[in-house]
Order: sequence, then structure tokens, then C-alpha cells
Amino acid sequence: DAGVIQSPRHEVTEMGQEVTLRCKPISGHDYLFWYRQTMMRGLELLIYFNNNVPIDDSGMPEDRFSAKMPNASFSTLKIQPSEPRDSAVYFCASSQWTSGGENIQYFGAGTRLSVL
Amino acid sequence: AQKITQTQPGMFVQEKEAVTLDCTYDTSDPSYGLFWYKQPSSGEMIFLIYQGSYDQQNATEGRYSLNFQKARKSANLVISASQLGDSAMYFCAMRGTYNTDKLIFGTGTRLQVFP
Repeated sequence: DAGVIQSPRHEVTEMGQEVTLRCKPISGHDYLFWYRQTMMRGLELLIYFNNNVPIDDSGMPEDRFSAKMPNASFSTLKIQPSEPRDSAVYFCASSQWTSGGENIQYFGAGTRLSVL
Repeated sequence: AQKITQTQPGMFVQEKEAVTLDCTYDTSDPSYGLFWYKQPSSGEMIFLIYQGSYDQQNATEGRYSLNFQKARKSANLVISASQLGDSAMYFCAMRGTYNTDKLIFGTGTRLQVFP
């Protein structure tokens, strides 16, 4: 079974440009999470969805960031306009609710974003 | 508020030896879950092991085991018979009852396995 698939793996863009990161969760998973990882701040949860509905976006840094999940198999994280401080690795993860409570999150390979 | 603390920024271990990576947590939730993830230099985050707060036994997955001491609020990862491929960053994470969907991560421990 395929894992979480993220694209692109690397993105280099110039300040002010729009950036769109993509994620395909594991089939059957009902939760989807977007994280950002930097040396300074570690792993931060940006937003997560349950059954395609955004549940908590309190981690989204500012209005330049937006995320959508139009269906159960696809999500996007958009930054417009991008700034150099947005440079980071962005991870998508998905999980499935279980009665035992594990709800293990499985991560994609990440997108390394560099904003020049 | 929930918090995860990993006090060891770096650890060294010789191949075939066992190593313990420390993790302490703070929560007021009555039930919670504890996780360990591995991040090799290639960058992906790999799930290793899970421990529920009400689990009677310590979790084990192959060479990984979780030394869970509830009273001390610690959830240390033990890697037995270390291999060169175990060199990576290791993150401890927690999910509580009232935020059942969100994981809080520690700052990580970088493990280096030498021959």
C-alpha cells in the first residue's frame, strides 16, 4: 500500500511568488495534517483536517498561508506571497481513527521549500 | 498544557550496543498516547513505536522498546543491538485525550552509531 505522497520534493522560488504544496494521504485515512519543520522551531502543526473538514488551523502562521482538502485523496497548502522566512521542510501526515486510540500518524517524505 | 522534553541533544553508541533515548512529558489528561519517530538524514519521518497510557505492558517493536514509567512521566526509547542505520534524529511525541488528534513533539535527539 502506498504511503503518504507529497509533491514536489523540492521547491525553489523567489520571494513574492505563490507556492503550492500537494499531498495525497493514505487511502482510507480520515485525518490529514500539515506540519512545518525548521531548525529554530522544530516540528509545528499548521492545520489538520478530519473527513476533509478543517478542524484546527491555529498553527497557520498568517493569512499568506491557506490549506484545502477538496476530497479525501488530495490536499494543498498554499503560500501567497512567499517570503524567505517560509523556507522550511513541510510535511503532510495522515491517520485513521481507531477504537484503541492509537491514531498513528504516517508522514510523507516532505517538501523542502527554499524562498530566495 | 502538554509538553514533551528531550534533554539529550546528541548521543553516541557503538554498533551492537543498546542505547536509551530519554523522553519526559507533562500532561493533566487522564489518558494519552506516546510515540517515537525516527528521522534519518534523508528527511522522512518514520513511525517506530506507540504506548498508550493505560497499557499494562511496555510496548515493543523488534529492536525498539519503550520504557514507560507513568509515575515519573517518562517514556524512554530503548534500541537494542544498535546498527549503523540507526543513526538519525529521534523524536518523542504525545497526544492527549482532549486534543486527541494533535501530536506535540519534543526537540529530538541525534543518535550516532559508530563501528
